Amino acid sequence: GQQVMQIPQYQHVQEGEDFTTYCNSSTTLSNIQWYKQRPGGHPVFLIQLVKSGEVKKQKRLTFQFGEAKKNSSLHITATQTTDVGTYFCANFGNEKLTFGTGTRLTIIP
Amino acid sequence: DGGITQSPKYLFRKEGQNVTLSCEQNLNHDAMYWYRQDPGQGLRLIYYSQIVNDFQKGDIAEGYSVSREKKESFPLTVTSAQKNPTAFYLCASRLVGRVDVDGNQPQHFGDGTRLSIL
Repeated sequence: GQQVMQIPQYQHVQEGEDFTTYCNSSTTLSNIQWYKQRPGGHPVFLIQLVKSGEVKKQKRLTFQFGEAKKNSSLHITATQTTDVGTYFCANFGNEKLTFGTGTRLTIIP
Repeated sequence: DGGITQSPKYLFRKEGQNVTLSCEQNLNHDAMYWYRQDPGQGLRLIYYSQIVNDFQKGDIAEGYSVSREKKESFPLTVTSAQKNPTAFYLCASRLVGRVDVDGNQPQHFGDGTRLSIL
């Protein structure tokens, strides 16, 4: 089946620094969804990207879908302690989600 | 997310025992999903169902079974054939063929069940 890779696996940043996680696939992605999972919690939907080259913003979060639809990224500007958690991308195709491996973000106050 | 209830929150299984995890949703969602999450890892799909009385295997269905007798309910049984059942199990649901008010088709997750071996 399709594999969706994310890098980095872990990221530790000082509060106020920026953070980026990248999602890559060797095959074309249908549509990308991003989820955030707080420690001990469950994944919560953040955004969905469908079109090639699409960019969406949610306050300090910027989501991009690559032109070739084989990669996606999530960028957080000026991180805050509330941003702690694991961020997953997931490809939605054939009525199911294939999740990436996730990037765990920790914030150093 | 509100509307999806998983129980119990914690579950312990003895060797050779089957256990059933409950998932109920009142969101009137068509599709339901079961995922397994191991520590520090992503979510892997066990089974999913798009309509009542029909379900499909996911990537790691061996050792698990499901039923979908009602739209609201999608219980997962972890059988004794699953030799390494210790994990965090997440149930999710979504609308099929429709989008939400923002034009998205998100999955909504329950709070999960943590299963351990005694």
